[in-house]
Amino acid sequence: DAKTTQPTSMDCAEGRAANLPCNHSTISGNEYVYWYRQIHSQGPQYIIHGLKNNETNEMASLIITEDRKSSTLILPHATLRDTAVYYCIVESYGQNFVFGPGTRLSVLP
Amino acid sequence: DTEVTQTPKHLVMGMTNKKSLKCEQHMGHRAMYWYKQKAKKPPELMFVYSYEKLSINESVPSRFSPECPNSSLLNLHLHALQPEDSALYLCASSPYRDGVGPFFGQGTRLTVV
Repeated sequence: DAKTTQPTSMDCAEGRAANLPCNHSTISGNEYVYWYRQIHSQGPQYIIHGLKNNETNEMASLIITEDRKSSTLILPHATLRDTAVYYCIVESYGQNFVFGPGTRLSVLP
Repeated sequence: DTEVTQTPKHLVMGMTNKKSLKCEQHMGHRAMYWYKQKAKKPPELMFVYSYEKLSINESVPSRFSPECPNSSLLNLHLHALQPEDSALYLCASSPYRDGVGPFFGQGTRLTVV
């Protein structure tokens, strides 16, 4: 079973920041938080991951709460091409990489 | 080379056919995965190989038979499938160490008729 819960769907206006929350209240000390997205019928694409600290890369930022029980993925300037299903996954060695239902993000013009 | 390559991209097979899906990576990754994805559902983990040994089998029916001939190749042999097995089959690989998640291929769209 997936170890995370996410909203089923969200809308975001084009050009605005998209903030996607994820709850992982049972996360263990050695487990990372990973974010992937899947655009229709393509393979999932890695976005970002983190352990304790906030992380930023060219695609997004990841904010992890101090108790590590939740996190937020931030797409700073959403475009129409960011419309996808976003998955938050918690795992250590990445072997038992189980997807939850994810959040369907719709970026609106 | 940072790709996971899956072939074929599309496959139509009858219920009495035997076919195979192929997955290849040249990133030196030591873990490889098969997932099944039905429409509008998340990917479901089927099998995981780590260091060429089957380490996870998520109670998948025996009509699906995985094989890992070497560290770069992963096959999924299909036999006597049912129409409900029609789905997108995704392969992934990872270096099997902390903090590095799997890289996914683009999948094989399988239709069982």
